Amino acid sequence: SAVISQKPSRDICQRGTSLTIQCQVDSQVTMMFWYRQQPGQSLTLIATANQGSEATYESGFVIDKFPISRPNLTFSTLTVSNMSPEDSSIYLCSGRDTLITEAFFGQGTRLTVV
Amino acid sequence: SQQGEEDPQALSIQEGENATMNCSYKTSINNLQWYRQNSGRGLVHLILIRSNEREKHSGRLRVTLDTSKKSSSLLITASRAADTASYFCLFSQGGSEKLVFGKGTKLTVNP
Repeated sequence: SAVISQKPSRDICQRGTSLTIQCQVDSQVTMMFWYRQQPGQSLTLIATANQGSEATYESGFVIDKFPISRPNLTFSTLTVSNMSPEDSSIYLCSGRDTLITEAFFGQGTRLTVV
Repeated sequence: SQQGEEDPQALSIQEGENATMNCSYKTSINNLQWYRQNSGRGLVHLILIRSNEREKHSGRLRVTLDTSKKSSSLLITASRAADTASYFCLFSQGGSEKLVFGKGTKLTVNP
């Protein structure tokens, strides 16, 4: 399966600032997804990002807070805007080529907001 | 709810014992995948089972799928301390492309 390089791997940020997380895939993929994992919890889907269209956000997540870009089939970014301590989580990106193939994941970004 | 249900939430066993984890979902699926996560970081793909399959094996892992009950189970046989991790199921809901995780089972294998 494809490999996703995600960066940064971790960051400590001041409240009120923004952080952009990048995911680079080593091959073209149709679908990309962004997840948040709060401490001790499962992964929650933030949004689906497909090239050429606006990202589709899940309930509880909005574009102003988590703007996403998908400029081509190998790259996507997620920005966590106007951060607060409640945004401290692990953020992961994922890619998948078709509905019947396995999904693959970046290594995650561990974000701490102070 | 975005997430599927998994049980148990936590499981503690002795090395050599078998561990069974279950995942339930609400709508039809194309396939279901199982992943392992160590120390809250990267996800390792274990097995993908298609909706027309009932059972699949990979080494010490056995996955079953019962589409009539909308559930899947992951069995790890002859467990090892290195199997200590969190295990998640992942599936597409209905005909949607989006992938949703179960709540996960935290497995501890004691040496």
